[in-house]
Amino acid sequence: DAGVTQSPTHLIKTRGQQVTLRCSPKSGHDTVSWYQQALGQGPQFIFQYYEEEERQRGNFPDRFSGHQFPNYSSELNVNALLLGDSALYLCASSFGTGGIRTIYFGEGSWLTVV
Amino acid sequence: DQQVKQNSPSLSVQEGRISILNCDYTNSMFDYFLWYKKYPAEGPTFLISISSIKDKNEDGRFTVFLNKSAKHLSLHIVPSQPGDSAVYFCAAKIIVYDKIIFGKGTRLHILP
Repeated sequence: DAGVTQSPTHLIKTRGQQVTLRCSPKSGHDTVSWYQQALGQGPQFIFQYYEEEERQRGNFPDRFSGHQFPNYSSELNVNALLLGDSALYLCASSFGTGGIRTIYFGEGSWLTVV
Repeated sequence: DQQVKQNSPSLSVQEGRISILNCDYTNSMFDYFLWYKKYPAEGPTFLISISSIKDKNEDGRFTVFLNKSAKHLSLHIVPSQPGDSAVYFCAAKIIVYDKIIFGKGTRLHILP
């Protein structure tokens, strides 16, 4: 049973470029959330996708956007990259939304912006 | 504005002794609290949780205590084992929402 898988594992981008990160949820899960973890910080909620729609959003600018596909996989897109976007991006999945649910995190994608 | 605070960046404990990790929160709307454990190069792993209607929850060597009046929770690990060396994140949420608010983490070192 595959857990949450993310790609790529590491990548380096230049300021101003755009990046797309990908996530496949754990088998049986239909909800995907994205978190940003900067160095020395805890993960910060970016947004959540359920039924191919953005359901909840954290305090991130519109440069951060996402998508969920019919197979429940998801993409995180970041436009006009800034140095401050350098972080570990974590994808988490669960079944359904709201309530008490165990969410499972992937290993993350390390983004370095130079 | 840090709604979940872990004021100890690191903690060293002798193997076999008790590890106590502390966490404070400011948002009184939080009604569910969680602890996650993270090893390097891995994503956070759920460890234990507690609802705001309880003051204690145990799972094996792990116990979480909640003091709502003080807006404080703690994680006790007894006895501490070498494999417990990791970063521990305290987190909180409002049950009806899925957004989880994390603290900055405490790095626990278990000494031989």
